[in-house]
Amino acid sequence: DAKTTQPTSMDCAEGRAANLPCNHSTISGNEYVYWYRQIHSQGPQYIIHGLKNNETNEMASLIITEDRKSSTLILPHATLRDTAVYYCIVESTGNQFYFGTGTSLTVIP
Amino acid sequence: GAVVSQHPSWVICKSGTSVKIECRSLDFQATTMFWYRQFPKQSLMLMATSNEGSKATYEQGVEKDKFLINHASLTLSTLTVTSAHPEDSSFYICSAGGTGPYEQYFGPGTRLTVT
Repeated sequence: DAKTTQPTSMDCAEGRAANLPCNHSTISGNEYVYWYRQIHSQGPQYIIHGLKNNETNEMASLIITEDRKSSTLILPHATLRDTAVYYCIVESTGNQFYFGTGTSLTVIP
Repeated sequence: GAVVSQHPSWVICKSGTSVKIECRSLDFQATTMFWYRQFPKQSLMLMATSNEGSKATYEQGVEKDKFLINHASLTLSTLTVTSAHPEDSSFYICSAGGTGPYEQYFGPGTRLTVT
């Protein structure tokens, strides 16, 4: 079963930062937080992952709270192409991903 | 980056027939591959985990005799939907694990329609 909860949907103005929250209050010490996104009728695309520290790559930033019970994915300058369903997943080393419902992000021109 | 392909990208078959979907890791070896199913407007549901050279592990509620998984090499896993019914119509997605504990790469998906 999915170990995360996310808002069902969010809107974001084009060019603004999109902040997508995720709750994972039962996360274990060895579990990573992953973010993927899925554009309609395509396979999920990897965005970023982290364990304890905040992470940043060319796509996004991941902020993990100190108690690791929640995290936020930040898309710094949202574009129309960022419209997708964003999934937050927690997993250890078996790579078995149990997807939750995700957040449907709509970037508005 | 690592690429995973699926073939076919879409397939239509008649009720009662079987259909095979291939998942290939193109530029890396995948000891573990995963199969997911996604119904319209729903999330991905993990169906099974396949390890090269051994039997697949199916998630609870997934019929192993209906969804046959073969992982004969480090770059190929196949999912065969046997005696397909219209309710098996779905989007099937595979993923392949890399060498690191946190690497998983998804294929583009296969749209199955059973008429």
